[in-house]
Amino acid sequence: QSVLTQPPSLSAAPGQKVTISCSGSTSNIGNNYVSWYQQLPGTAPKLLIYETDRRPSGIPDRFSGSKSDTSATLAITGLQTGDEADYYCATWDTSLSAGRVFGGGTKLTVL
Amino acid sequence: QVQLQESGPGLVKPSETLSLTCTVSGGSITNSRYYWGWIRQPPGKGLEWIGSIYYSGSTYYNPSLKSRVTISVDTSKNQFSLKLTSVAATDTAVYYCARLTPTFDYWGQGTLVTVSS
Repeated sequence: QSVLTQPPSLSAAPGQKVTISCSGSTSNIGNNYVSWYQQLPGTAPKLLIYETDRRPSGIPDRFSGSKSDTSATLAITGLQTGDEADYYCATWDTSLSAGRVFGGGTKLTVL
Repeated sequence: QVQLQESGPGLVKPSETLSLTCTVSGGSITNSRYYWGWIRQPPGKGLEWIGSIYYSGSTYYNPSLKSRVTISVDTSKNQFSLKLTSVAATDTAVYYCARLTPTFDYWGQGTLVTVSS
């Protein structure tokens, strides 16, 4: 059971917008930055969003992150078939001596 | 561009010790801006943080694994290592090493370790 809760799966059509939620608590999301990762099949996770809403160089602005209280959200607009992947949120948890925690992951299907 | 590469045995027997090394290239492991970490992913499951280390040797571990985990650093070789003792089938996973900034921004390709007799 992950400390951060994500929906196991979501699906949407190409061109649409999808949001992936990540629910936590005051000891993690509520008081820390959130990161988001994209994992394509058979590959290592790739950083999409850091410090809750910042994109690394090379990540298109179709990907955006936000946070409210103890929940974070990853939004993807203009969905493409290449966006079909697993998505993970992550942060650190002060109740775990600043250990890192991940969400359980959301499998996004682009129909 | 920094690159990380995991290496070590792909098969470990139950009750034995899993040992992996991560070699960092394209940057120094002694850069004071970064920690270095290990993350694993059982087949078909999600990511689990194992632990992290600073070049000085300071470590912090996932409480659920702390009693079995040791992470060390060898600055002369630009490497850091993972040891996980008393392994069981539930430790079968792809093991990743990554740079921590404090988010995991660069990852190795991962190495599958299977625990089986």
